[in-house]
Amino acid sequence: NAGVTQTPKFQVLKTGQSMTLQCAQDMNHNSMYWYRQDPGMGLRLIYYSASEGTTDKGEVPNGYNVSRLNKREFSLRLESAAPSQTSVYFCASSVQIMNTEAFFGQGTRLTVV
Amino acid sequence: GENVEQHPSTLSVQEGDSAVIKCTYSDSASNYFPWYKQELGKRPQLIIDIRSNVGEKKDQRIAVTLNKTAKHFSLHITETQPEDSAVYFCAASQAGTALIFGKGTTLSVSS
Repeated sequence: NAGVTQTPKFQVLKTGQSMTLQCAQDMNHNSMYWYRQDPGMGLRLIYYSASEGTTDKGEVPNGYNVSRLNKREFSLRLESAAPSQTSVYFCASSVQIMNTEAFFGQGTRLTVV
Repeated sequence: GENVEQHPSTLSVQEGDSAVIKCTYSDSASNYFPWYKQELGKRPQLIIDIRSNVGEKKDQRIAVTLNKTAKHFSLHITETQPEDSAVYFCAASQAGTALIFGKGTTLSVSS
């Protein structure tokens, strides 16, 4: 089992460009999440999907959109990238949204210049 | 929404000493409190968790305590080793919501 797989691992974008971060899990988990990690700020929740067909905003949703494509895949889209979106992005999944361990992907390091 | 405060932001100890990291949460409905460890350049991984119906949980050298009345929980690491050096995150969640994390504690264990 690969667990949670994110693509790409690294990306450099110019301000105003758009891109989609991909995430897939092979653990048959119902819930999936996107977090961003910035120095001194911890892991901040961008969006999450409690189950296939549902998505909800987290703490810092502005500038992002998500799609729960199917049970396995949850993508994060930046429509018009800004330097403030330079960060490490982590996708995670869990069996369900209540009281269960979240498994993280390896992260995507995104730089917006 | 939930807010999780974590202290200290950095902690340096000598090998063999104990380390304690403390977190407070704001939403009294929160009932799940995990701790994650993130080594440099790696992904966060769960090391221990506690649910609201338990006051303390122990796993070898690590333990977590929960005080629901005061809305705080703590991670205790005994007999620290250099490989315990990492960033530790606490988190909280309630039914139907995602984990909200604290800002992290960088633990350095010197030998």
